[in-house]
Amino acid sequence: AQSVTQPDIHITVSEGASLELRCNYSYGATPYLFWYVQSPGQGLQLLLKYFSGDTLVQGIKGFEAEFKRSQSSFNLRKPSVHWSDAAEYFCAVVPLYSGAGSYQLTFGKGTKLSVIP
Amino acid sequence: DSGVTQTPKHLITATGQRVTLRCSPRSGDLSVYWYQQSLDQGLQFLIHYYNGEERAKGNILERFSAQQFPDLHSELNLSSLELGDSALYFCASSVSGDLMGEQYFGPGTRLTVT
Repeated sequence: AQSVTQPDIHITVSEGASLELRCNYSYGATPYLFWYVQSPGQGLQLLLKYFSGDTLVQGIKGFEAEFKRSQSSFNLRKPSVHWSDAAEYFCAVVPLYSGAGSYQLTFGKGTKLSVIP
Repeated sequence: DSGVTQTPKHLITATGQRVTLRCSPRSGDLSVYWYQQSLDQGLQFLIHYYNGEERAKGNILERFSAQQFPDLHSELNLSSLELGDSALYFCASSVSGDLMGEQYFGPGTRLTVT
């Protein structure tokens, strides 16, 4: 079945440490890939997206993600985490052959990030 | 601030009741997507409207319906409410119906059914 998996429900890191959040997908063809962040009480904000081309994608707030076709993964990274990065992070996909001009997102279950000062 | 507004922010109602959630997209955006975020199901796509017409349906119950009006705002109607309908409901808007139009999310409406 088609799915998006975020294996880690909750991750805690110290401020200044590096971060990697995992995302795996299971689709026949590589879908379009996204990472969103949801701060407490807020809506979702797009961090970055991958459609094709360079497999290392730069996003906002110092985040980057690497697409690895062989591993069906699209992991989110940040070299040095700030306390303000504490939030919930969602990996999302849009299948390659979405029909009828609609590009609804299919989300993973999310990873909650806590940052220790 | 994404520019997408949703009202009300919070809604508490009883089982069996009907509610209407409202979404105003960003100026110029023609597409409105509705998503439901619940503890057990996570974030799920409900329905998509583009310029007043329904484009796609996801896991939307028959008790739920939506529409997009000529001024492009959208309403999600939830009827015969059940406890399990308690969730955060988001709308997102984008300029067009294609993939290049980034979806901008509103702050959500938190629905509590008692």
